[in-house]
Amino acid sequence: ELKVEQNPLFLSMQEGKNYTIYCNYSTTSDRLYWYRQDPGKSLESLFVLLSNGAVKQEGRLMASLDTKARLSTLHITAAVHDLSATYFCAVEEDSGYALNFGKGTSLLVTP
Amino acid sequence: NAGVTQTPKFRVLKTGQSMTLLCAQDMNHEYMYWYRQDPGMGLRLIHYSVGEGTTAKGEVPDGYNVSRLKKQNFLLGLESAAPSQTSVYFCASSLGEISNQPQHFGDGTRLSIL
Repeated sequence: ELKVEQNPLFLSMQEGKNYTIYCNYSTTSDRLYWYRQDPGKSLESLFVLLSNGAVKQEGRLMASLDTKARLSTLHITAAVHDLSATYFCAVEEDSGYALNFGKGTSLLVTP
Repeated sequence: NAGVTQTPKFRVLKTGQSMTLLCAQDMNHEYMYWYRQDPGMGLRLIHYSVGEGTTAKGEVPDGYNVSRLKKQNFLLGLESAAPSQTSVYFCASSLGEISNQPQHFGDGTRLSIL
């Protein structure tokens, strides 16, 4: 059974600070996705990581994938309030059909 | 740019009632999915479909049925609703196995079972 674990599950950080969210998974998959969800809203795709060593950056967010360590990170640089949301990582199952989601990291950026 | 459309957006049911949630996508996607989201649980896959006329069980299929009679539509049915099925239901779609593209999600259906 594929397991996907995110930590931390809750994160409160000050504006301007840096922090990293971790996503560990139990399969040999090399396809990992990061999504953002605002309260009461749908999920928005942030990054698609498709191979070992993949790194993607968009604004203040940077995601990376280490398939050997079965670990992905989402790094936040100089946080701003607009980044407050819940962030999910999702790993593609070996079948290639479905995603297995972590429980999400609820991020609150405060002044 | 409709993308993935779910209807209804909100619904309150009594225990034992039945209902169908509709998901429609206009992106010509092959794969479609139904998830439920519960507090602290992330998203869990209920059923999915890899093409018209095909369906498969996900992680939590019990109490639900699905149909994909047309490529653009994926229906989720609750035959006899139970309070444990109170949740937010998300439909998603994707191009397919080799597309390397993310799943696109609808806005969700908030379902309460009393």
